[in-house]
This record gives sequence, structure tokens and C-alpha cells, in this order.
Amino acid sequence: AQTVTQSQPEMSVQEAETVTLSCTYDTSESDYYLFWYKQPPSRQMILVIRQEAYKQQNATENRFSVNFQKAAKSFSLKISDSQLGDAAMYFCAYRTNTGNQFYFGTGTSLTVIP
Amino acid sequence: DTGVSQNPRHKITKRGQNVTFRCDPISEHNRLYWYRQTLGQGPEFLTYFQNEAQLEKSRLLSDRFSAERPKGSFSTLEIQRTEQGDSAMYLCASSLILQTARGASTDTQYFGPGTRLTVL
Repeated sequence: AQTVTQSQPEMSVQEAETVTLSCTYDTSESDYYLFWYKQPPSRQMILVIRQEAYKQQNATENRFSVNFQKAAKSFSLKISDSQLGDAAMYFCAYRTNTGNQFYFGTGTSLTVIP
Repeated sequence: DTGVSQNPRHKITKRGQNVTFRCDPISEHNRLYWYRQTLGQGPEFLTYFQNEAQLEKSRLLSDRFSAERPKGSFSTLEIQRTEQGDSAMYLCASSLILQTARGASTDTQYFGPGTRLTVL
């Protein structure tokens, strides 16, 4: 069974600093997709970044980048130059290439300190 | 607004009543998903549709739950004889999935704002 673990329920970062959110997953599949979603308070979930497991290069999206370690089944999110608008709950998610379900972690609540 | 919309945004009901939620996906999307999210947890998959066909249902979806997507566009999720344990945020997401040589495409899901259900 696929599981996604986010071991940091809460994180905080000073504005303009860098923070890394951790995510590990368990799977026996070799081909899959990984995602980070952001859910601001009382607002809908939006995609931050995605990674295809067959690609060795880490995905980047402006201030957001991932450290994808396939052998270790680790998929961390780095937010550089943190902004107040980055404050939200962040969910890591997994989907196999052939499956149809997304599996989400329990989330990390990020606070940005001015 | 061309995003995913859900109605109502909030629903308060008494235990034993039936409720129905609606989701309007992004128009060209062929997949539609329903999730349930309780406080402090990530979304849990309930079911999904490919066009009008309901292809998979989670064990979380008891026989009191039914979902439809009659014309492959909007979808409804009905809960019959609601229980207090049904209180949660119900999220809808849509995606456009294409078959590629490697299998299904990336299938990025776009979420709606959710319907918060409170069962008294």
C-alpha cells in the first residue's frame, strides 16, 4: 500500500529566509508522480510543484524547488526567500503512473514570521 | 471564473437528513474526483469519474454515499441519513488525463474550494 508521511506538523520561517519541508513515501512502484500542494487558510488547494519519478532532475518553480531522492523515497520542498503569502498548509501527494488515486500526507503548517 | 466550483460552500444539517453537494469542474477536464478532508488531515480519496463513468470507489464510501456525473460535466455527491462522523470538508478536483506512450499523463488535479458539512 502506498503511504505518504510528513513528519513535521508545523514549521516556521523568517520572512526572506529559506525553509525545507519533508516528505517520505512508501511504494513498490518504480514509475510514479509526486506533488506538493498548498492550502492557505479557508482557501482552496493549489498545486505548487510536481515531479515525475523517471526524471532525475529536480523540479523547480520560481522560489520553490524539490529534492527528490528516489532510492530514499524522499521528496522535500524548499521554499527560498519566504514571503508572508507562503503561509499555508502544505501537502505532499503521490500517484502511480497506472493508478488513479492520489495519496496525501497529513500536511505541514507553515508560518512565516515578518 | 474558469476554476473548479463547489456548492454550497457550507452546509449544516441535522443527523439523519440527506444532503447533496455539487461540483462543476474545469470545462475541458475529463476526470473528476471527490475527497473528504477532516481537521488536521490530508484529503482522503472517495471516488472518481472518467467522463460520466464512475471508475473507482474507496472503502470510505459507504452505501449511504452516492455520486453521479450524469453528462460527464458536473457531479453531485449525496449523503443519505447523515451521521455526525460525516462532518468534514468535501473537496472536488478535476483533471485532464491523456494517454501517452508511457501510460497516463501527469494528471495534475485542480481543486475546488470545498463544501464544509456540519452534522448536528
